[in-house]
Amino acid sequence: QKEVEQNSGPLSVPEGAIASLNCTYSDRVSQSFFWYRQYSGKSPELIMSIYSNGDKEDGRFTAQLNKASQYVSLLIRDSQPSDSATYLCAVSWRGLSSNTGKLIFGQGTTLQVKP
Amino acid sequence: SAVISQKPSRDICQRGTSLTIQCQVDSQVTMMFWYRQQPGQSLTLIATANQGSEATYESGFVIDKFPISRPNLTFSTLTVSNMSPEDSSIYLCSVAGGSGNIQYFGAGTRLSVL
Repeated sequence: QKEVEQNSGPLSVPEGAIASLNCTYSDRVSQSFFWYRQYSGKSPELIMSIYSNGDKEDGRFTAQLNKASQYVSLLIRDSQPSDSATYLCAVSWRGLSSNTGKLIFGQGTTLQVKP
Repeated sequence: SAVISQKPSRDICQRGTSLTIQCQVDSQVTMMFWYRQQPGQSLTLIATANQGSEATYESGFVIDKFPISRPNLTFSTLTVSNMSPEDSSIYLCSVAGGSGNIQYFGAGTRLSVL
């Protein structure tokens, strides 16, 4: 069973703090990892993609991947109230022999940034 | 990223009826997917819409309940058949293309079944 696990939260941080969101996955052959942000009543929007071990930074967002430990995290620096949303971790499932393109989503972590 | 148009954006339907949701992309894409997001839950993949052939369904989803068409590389439909209140969800189409498996989502269809 391919699984992606996230703490559902809510994770509450004060404005200006660093928010740390974590995700673990069970499929060792997964190669592509994504963080989506979903505001209430809206569809998911891509924030970050990461494919190799280490850190990837984009503005206030940093994704971290550790394939040996099977976890991926998202750091949000200088958190703003507008960052309040549900953050979905998604992992690609390669399948038995080919790239299926399918994503498996975690349950999502609700982030609340308080002014 | 591609521009994805999904319609209807929302609908209220009666039990036992069917609803067809359309997904139109402004460019040709290799892969299209349909997801369901039940209230307060994450996304669950229903099926991969294959161009010119039958869709590939995930465990727990069947063609009789969720028939899917994909006549070309820019368009797909999902039908929710013989609806019950348990089908009340948000249905989302997504597209992926190129390297990296990045998927982009339509705005979703919010379905309520009475």
